[in-house]
Amino acid sequence: DARVTQTPRHKVTEMGQEVTMRCQPILGHNTVFWYRQTMMQGLELLAYFRNRAPLDDSGMPKDRFSAEMPDATLATLKIQPSEPRDSAVYFCASGLVTGGLYNSPLHFGNGTRLTVT
Amino acid sequence: EDQVTQSPEALRLQEGESSSLNCSYTVSGLRGLFWYRQDPGKGPEFLFTLYSAGEEKEKERLKATLTKKESFLHITAPKPEDSATYLCAVQFRGYQKVTFGTGTKLQVIP
Repeated sequence: DARVTQTPRHKVTEMGQEVTMRCQPILGHNTVFWYRQTMMQGLELLAYFRNRAPLDDSGMPKDRFSAEMPDATLATLKIQPSEPRDSAVYFCASGLVTGGLYNSPLHFGNGTRLTVT
Repeated sequence: EDQVTQSPEALRLQEGESSSLNCSYTVSGLRGLFWYRQDPGKGPEFLFTLYSAGEEKEKERLKATLTKKESFLHITAPKPEDSATYLCAVQFRGYQKVTFGTGTKLQVIP
């Protein structure tokens, strides 16, 4: 089965450090999402891309978060500088959208658990 | 603002005790509703997609139904391995993004 791959699985860092999370979407999927999951807020949408172009990043704190897709096989989420409130599990998901409809459901990676001390 | 609300937040069932989980959404137009299962330490795993009121989907002990305002995930004769958090997600008309509810944590006791 094709899978979304996220690295690293766990990251512990100190406040103020830069954090980079990576995602390899499923080959052939044209839409990539970044979500953040916490106990209090559940799954929050941070940003998403269609054919590598950013469509919406309104869920991200713009001053410290950035998301990019350097190529079709790699999506990155960076936090600089990191803060303790950024501690959460970050999920990447990919899907195939045609004409605004999801031809395939979103498939999720197993997440990056980030702890900022 | 379009919202997705799930209830109950947590549900504890005895093995074999059937029940239903609810997902309600603001009625601004639905393009698709998705159910996912999430196990601890893992990403959500896709279960069903529903597109229109009256539609039903089944998989083993799970059955998802959809009305104009809400969806139900019915669990028939659950087993301990059905224990997980069940997430509902909605694609609203006019949007590409998918909005998730906060989930129902299900525990099935042997």
